[in-house]
Amino acid sequence: GENVEQHPSTLSVQEGDSAVIKCTYSDSASNYFPWYKQELGKRPQLIIDIRSNVGEKKDQRIAVTLNKTAKHFSLHITETQPEDSAVYFCAASNAGGTSYGKLTFGQGTILTVHP
Amino acid sequence: IAGITQAPTSQILAAGRRMTLRCTQDMRHNAMYWYRQDLGLGLRLIHYSNTAGTTGKGEVPDGYSVSRANTDDFPLTLASAVPSQTSVYFCATSGEPDTQYFGPGTRLTVL
Repeated sequence: GENVEQHPSTLSVQEGDSAVIKCTYSDSASNYFPWYKQELGKRPQLIIDIRSNVGEKKDQRIAVTLNKTAKHFSLHITETQPEDSAVYFCAASNAGGTSYGKLTFGQGTILTVHP
Repeated sequence: IAGITQAPTSQILAAGRRMTLRCTQDMRHNAMYWYRQDLGLGLRLIHYSNTAGTTGKGEVPDGYSVSRANTDDFPLTLASAVPSQTSVYFCATSGEPDTQYFGPGTRLTVL
């Protein structure tokens, strides 16, 4: 089955700095890579996703890059703000294949943005 | 529109008791999932259902069962709860193109 490794487990930055979280996956058949943000006591919320037919996707201050050859993908947050503080999870799945929609999650990164 | 609802919000349960966690959606999504979240272990898939009438096992299915009688409901049952099942349980749904949305969660403590 799929295995997703996420690093770092904790990340502390100053407000305005950039933050980068990296994930690697093991199954070359995976083709869908979402990122979720989870605030304390809340549900995971999708913030951005990427499919294997593109290498990069941006949404305002958030971007995700994908390197299928190396089997890794990264989340980039620019101009961080205190409200970006949360736990971030990456995930991977073989969407539409035999393992329809089953996400395998990384272990999470606790991001703290200091004012 | 409620989206995804879960009940109860939290529950304290004696070991050995039977418990059903409820999940209901109004988005008409075909696929539904149950995850457990434990500190340091992220989210792990317990069971899933691609469509009404079908279910499948995820990464950690032992001790849990599910049913999918209709599109909207996907209950998760613990037949005989054990302390290791203490966790936060999230239900999720997925329509096209496969993006998953999570419910608010149920915090379960088994003593």
